[in-house]
Amino acid sequence: EVQLLESGGGLVQPGGSLRLSCAASGFTFSSYAMTWVRQAPGKGLEWVSVISGSGDITYYADSVKGRFTISRDNSKNTLYLQMNSLRAEDTAVYYCAKQMTTVTTGGDYWGQGTLVTVSS
Amino acid sequence: SYVLTQPPSFSVAPGKTARITCGGNNIGSKSVHWYQQKPGQAPVLVIYYDSDRPSGIPERFSGSNSGNTATLIISRVEAGDEADYYCQVWDRSSDHWVFGGGTKLTVL
Repeated sequence: EVQLLESGGGLVQPGGSLRLSCAASGFTFSSYAMTWVRQAPGKGLEWVSVISGSGDITYYADSVKGRFTISRDNSKNTLYLQMNSLRAEDTAVYYCAKQMTTVTTGGDYWGQGTLVTVSS
Repeated sequence: SYVLTQPPSFSVAPGKTARITCGGNNIGSKSVHWYQQKPGQAPVLVIYYDSDRPSGIPERFSGSNSGNTATLIISRVEAGDEADYYCQVWDRSSDHWVFGGGTKLTVL
């Protein structure tokens, strides 16, 4: 059974940093691209970033490019999102999702999300 | 950047058919995925590659994609289908994932 468990969310001040993790199990982690999607309170889904199975291909939404870094440790079956220079508008539930195969395919399994609140 | 347009809301009576649209420039040339999200829960993939259905998703869910409109079709709607539905595509010109704004389906 595929399982994705996000962690690392919490309250952070504007300008601060946070690192999210997504622990994966139930599939061959290194064979699949992974993505982060966020959802601000009461709003729709917003794609954040995607990374290939090997980690050599990454893409970012314009709203986070230069501030967020996606990475993965295939030996630990874990996906990461390093978030720097956080802003109030980054407040959201952050979901990790397994892609069906490559970075251009959809997300077939999603975690339950971790809440990030950026506030002073 | 590529934009996907969905109606904010759609209402349907139980047992009827719901057709939720997702508009985009020449979206028929792209692969569209659809997600269902119930309150307080993570999204669930219900249709991928325009019209394929993941295992465990009822046959009542289907999809089509042509021209400038993709459509999620839910037949014999049930109360449990009440949720937000999002369409998604990969935009090759920007190497970005794009979501539609979401449609809140209300079962009357």
